[in-house]
Order: sequence, then C-alpha cells, then structure tokens
Amino acid sequence: RKEVEQDPGPFNVPEGATVAFNCTYSNSASQSFFWYRQDCRKEPKLLMSVYSSGNEDGRFTAQLNRASQYISLLIRDSKLSDSATYLCVVNWEGGATNKLIFGTGTLLAVQP
Amino acid sequence: NAGVTQTPKFRVLKTGQSMTLLCAQDMNHEYMYWYRQDPGMGLRLIHYSVGEGTTAKGEVPDGYNVSRLKKQNFLLGLESAAPSQTSVYFCASGTSGGTSYNEQFFGPGTRLTVL
Repeated sequence: RKEVEQDPGPFNVPEGATVAFNCTYSNSASQSFFWYRQDCRKEPKLLMSVYSSGNEDGRFTAQLNRASQYISLLIRDSKLSDSATYLCVVNWEGGATNKLIFGTGTLLAVQP
Repeated sequence: NAGVTQTPKFRVLKTGQSMTLLCAQDMNHEYMYWYRQDPGMGLRLIHYSVGEGTTAKGEVPDGYNVSRLKKQNFLLGLESAAPSQTSVYFCASGTSGGTSYNEQFFGPGTRLTVL
C-alpha cells in the first residue's frame, strides 16, 4: 500500500459545482495532515491543515477520519481559479524532523 | 522578505557533469529540505537538515550530497549527473518539528535536464 494515496483525476467540473477529493494514508501513527495546492509549474503552497474535528476555510472544508485513515477536501462553489493540483500531505511522525509525505496529487479543472 | 529562493531556475547538464543547487531562506527556519518531483511520483525527500551543520538522508539520497554551513542556506550537489536525475527540484524550509501542523514553505523550483 502506498504511504499516501490519492485519485489522480482529472476532475473536470463546471463553475459553481461542489467537488470532493479523498486521500488515504498507511501510517496509523501519523498525527498531522494537510492539503497543499500546486499550480502548473509552480511550487506547492499550503491550502489548509486538517484537524481531528474537521475544519472549514471559506469554500473549503477538510475532514479527517482516523479510524479509516482517510482525509477529505470539499470545495464548494468552484471557481475557475480553483483549477490546480491538490496534494494530500501527511506528517510522518517518528522524531522531530517534520518530514512530510506527499500524495501524487489530484488534478482539478474547473470549466466555464 | 523573499521567503525561499532557489538558483538556478533552469539548467541543462550532460551526463557526468556536476552542479550545485542553492537554496536560501530569510525566515530564520531551523529545518530545510530538498525534494524532487517527477510525473506520477509525487514529491520525494532527498535530504534534509534540522539545523546549521547537520544533514540527514531522506527517501532518495543516492547520487546527491548536501551541506548546511549557514542556517539560511542549504546546498544540493550532484557530483556526476545521470539522466535519471532529470527532475524538478524543490527546496523547502520550516520551523522546528517539535509541534504538529508546521507548514513547509517551498521555493519556486529548479528544472534540471540531464542529457
């Protein structure tokens, strides 16, 4: 099983749609989870951290299910500017190194 | 406040040549990382450093060396480049790993082609 696994997509959705991405991770000891956004030919940037109770930031909602070891990202009212690759990222606990394990990313294309 | 910068942005090498990629950060971060990103593989950690003068191997360290002589700089060296090292290289920095939810800040990347 891959350490962090995502559906690569692409997800092609119309503007205004709601879209959800899921991600699974293999290390049950992991404690920290993130969604990063990467635009084409650019560096990854933090979109949001994922907390145990779930968290929301405007149109974006992240949830964590520790029992099933999966993380989700929901985007409501999609905008053209949301088109990007979304990376699921897990902090690989096991020492104070803050090592992150990245999924391969899910490509989102929002169509006008 | 420039954040994380990388030089060069692009480079083409011939097999067997050597080069050094430079990463600099002005956020006073203790932790610095070098990743490579290949299609379908995600970002993979090459080497990292938890402080000035210290380095450690990541997931894919073979063929690379690093140095952290100054806190703000992290150098990645390729002694004898191979076509398999054609990739996009990202440097990142972050605060101490003592607490969770620490963000890593990435540089703009270096696109390296080895012929």
